[in-house]
Amino acid sequence: DSGVTQTPKHLITATGQRVTLRCSPRSGDLSVYWYQQSLDQGLQFLIQYYNGEERAKGNILERFSAQQFPDLHSELNLSSLELGDSALYFCASSVGGHYNSPLHFGNGTRLTVT
Amino acid sequence: GQQLNQSPQSMFIQEGEDVSMNCTSSSIFNTWLWYKQDPGEGPVLLIALYKAGELTSNGRLTAQFGITRKDSFLNISASIPSDVGIYFCAGLREGAQKLVFGQGTRLTINP
Repeated sequence: DSGVTQTPKHLITATGQRVTLRCSPRSGDLSVYWYQQSLDQGLQFLIQYYNGEERAKGNILERFSAQQFPDLHSELNLSSLELGDSALYFCASSVGGHYNSPLHFGNGTRLTVT
Repeated sequence: GQQLNQSPQSMFIQEGEDVSMNCTSSSIFNTWLWYKQDPGEGPVLLIALYKAGELTSNGRLTAQFGITRKDSFLNISASIPSDVGIYFCAGLREGAQKLVFGQGTRLTINP
């Protein structure tokens, strides 16, 4: 158990809809990262928050947004969903704000867009 | 785009065999991490490397930070069925703020 909690585990929705994925980091970790993993693909970095502020941005679509709340949990919002958005979405956390702090991953949310 | 080349993409071995996989890049890296992902779960950190030439073991797993700082290797000795999964390398390039992941090595073990 990594200590990172993601909800829900599975999400099935229709194209055009909007969903929110939730992540609680490990106790004491200040950074939260979001990754997308499509079928048989590697992990694509979306965005990082550190102590409530955006720290780094990856290949995140404009239809996607995220935030980190004062209690350090984070939400990833996906809107105007398309079939190609179907993927596993992982949240990871680390103690510091820099990548040389190893990331600890949650078990992911599997999103299916129909 | 992807900056790491991880190979092999897949491996089919017999139980008890040793396994080797690697990640290479044309860029210099400051940190190398190796993760394992089981089906339906998130990646789990196996080994972290922070210094060129560093050799670190975790049970039957051994990883090395290449002396050129452009590559890293992961070896698994005497493989067992629970070693099945996808192994990812990840690295922090010098001067970068974003970790990059390799495409993964899918390990399958025949009993």
